[in-house]
This record gives sequence, structure tokens and C-alpha cells, in this order.
Amino acid sequence: DVKVTQSSRYLVKRTGEKVFLECVQDMDHENMFWYRQDPGLGLRLIYFSYDVKMKEKGDIPEGYSVSREKKERFSLILESASTNQTSMYLCASSSTGAANEKLFFGSGTQLSVL
Amino acid sequence: QKEVEQDPGPLSVPEGAIVSLNCTYSNSAFQYFMWYRQYSRKGPELLMYTYSSGNKEDGRFTAQVDKSSKYISLFIRDSQPSDSATYLCAMSPVYNQGGKLIFGQGTELSVKP
Repeated sequence: DVKVTQSSRYLVKRTGEKVFLECVQDMDHENMFWYRQDPGLGLRLIYFSYDVKMKEKGDIPEGYSVSREKKERFSLILESASTNQTSMYLCASSSTGAANEKLFFGSGTQLSVL
Repeated sequence: QKEVEQDPGPLSVPEGAIVSLNCTYSNSAFQYFMWYRQYSRKGPELLMYTYSSGNKEDGRFTAQVDKSSKYISLFIRDSQPSDSATYLCAMSPVYNQGGKLIFGQGTELSVKP
């Protein structure tokens, strides 16, 4: 069964901390994505990667960076966490990169920045 | 104005009711239309996919796209308590790289026994 695993379900961090959110997929997918989900705003794309060591900005990349050193792992980094980054973070993967392709999502990490 | 608008609800219906969920959009380049279902404390899962205009049926679920009105709908017949979830519409132009979907805000649905 297809699986995208996010390392933490809940995280509480302080303003200014460096935060790492980890995501691992076991489907040998080429493509991985980070979205954030906020009430009233839906899901918004932060960063994505179509290959190891490659990354591209999504719609809201400010304040974030990513790392993809291995095909199965995609990390989201908050360089200096701020309260407006309190959100649900969802990792997703897909195999071919076609515009109509199905995304497989993890269960999400609820991050609170105090 | 958001590219995709979806009423967040919440929407509460009795078991057995027909549910209609809707999204409007402004970008005429959108060709791929999807509905994702998200249960509480879970990630979204693809429920239905439609290309361009028309209808698609899968069991109790029907997806409709009206490109002339820039309006898409998801109908759920004989709704069940297990259908209680948040439903997200998502769209993409043909030329977008995969995974770069534009999502609506999501509609929270509750089906009461």
C-alpha cells in the first residue's frame, strides 16, 4: 500500500527556532511536494521537487527552504519560525509529474509557533 | 479574488440525503478538475477526476464540470455517515507541472445518522 509518512503529527516551536519537517515516501515516486493548509485558504503549494537535489518554488516559498538528498525523503525547513507559520503542513508525492496526476498525501504535521 | 472559490460550510445533512458540493473558478485555462476527500486528522485522498467539461459517475458520486459557467460540482447520493469529511476541489491547466494544483478552501460535510 502506498505510503507517505510525516515524522511528527504535532510540533510546538518558539519564534526564531529553526524547524525541520520530514517526509518519507515508499513508492519510489519522482515528485514530492510541500503544501500548507489553513482555514479559509485551503491548500497552498510551498515547494516541490521533481528529482533528487532539485527544488522549485511554489506559490508561497517565503520563509521556507527544502532539501532532497535522497529520492524518498523531502524535508521542509523553516529557517527562523514565525507565528504566521503556524499551520498544518502536508507532504505529497506523485510518480510521473503529469498535470492531472493523483497526489498521495501524508497525514500532516500541525505546527504551532509560539 | 481567489482563483478557486468554495463555500467552507459546515454543511450538515441527514443520512440518505443528496449532497451537492460546488466550486467556482476564474481561470479559463483550467482543464483538469479533481475532488479530494479529507477525513479528520488525515491527508486528502483523490476521490474523482474529470477532464474538461462533462459528467463522471463513480458509485454514489457524480462529478460535473460546466466550463461555460466556470463551475464544478460533486454530488453524493444516498449520503452515509462515513461520507463525513472535508471535500476539496482542485484544478490545473494542462500545461502545469504535476502536483501544482490550485485548491479550493474545502467544504466540511457532516452526515447525521
